Amino acid sequence: QVQLQESGPGLVKPSETLSLTCAVSGYSISSGYYWGWIRQPPGKGLEWIGNIFHSGSTYYNPSLISRVTISVDTSKNQFSLKLTSVTAADTAVYYCARERGIVGASDLDYWGQGTLVTVSS
Amino acid sequence: DIQMTQSPSSLSASVGDRVTITCRAGQSISSYLNWYQQKSGKAPKLLIYAASSLQSGVPSRFSGSGSGTDFTLTISSLQPEDFATYYCQQSYNTPYSFGQGTKLEIK
Repeated sequence: QVQLQESGPGLVKPSETLSLTCAVSGYSISSGYYWGWIRQPPGKGLEWIGNIFHSGSTYYNPSLISRVTISVDTSKNQFSLKLTSVTAADTAVYYCARERGIVGASDLDYWGQGTLVTVSS
Repeated sequence: DIQMTQSPSSLSASVGDRVTITCRAGQSISSYLNWYQQKSGKAPKLLIYAASSLQSGVPSRFSGSGSGTDFTLTISSLQPEDFATYYCQQSYNTPYSFGQGTKLEIK
């Protein structure tokens, strides 16, 4: 069974960098598929942040592209998200997920449980 | 970016009802449309992929249809566990985008 687990600080100060890691078990990242990050502000809808392939190829949401970096560590079977210069608008539950399929024809079939990140001083 | 619009935003229904939720894309997305169910405090769960394919383990009362710009999710006979928020998502182009959600409540 594929499982994903997010980890990282639950509180980040404004202007600092949000860093999260998603540990994958039950499936090798190197076997294929893209691996993505999605966020959901409290009481609001879902926003796709970006994804990464095991080779390091990435796609980012243009609304965040100047602040976001997604990286992968195949030796640890995990991938990570960094979001710089955060503001209160970045407060959200952050999910990692497996993107089954290929870019342009995929779905999110396995999700982590999500982790709430609050931006506040 | 492709805009996804769901209707209605909220819906009240009773156990046993047939319910339909609509999702419209701002441009043609072929059949690259997925549906998710999200219960309070939980991660979304994939129900339907590629517009009409039922994800493994999902009850057959859920079905999807459509192509191009107009899509529907139908629940044939509502069960108590189906009361949740439903999202459509296009995977035709990055950035992938979601509808705003449809909250299904008990009447």
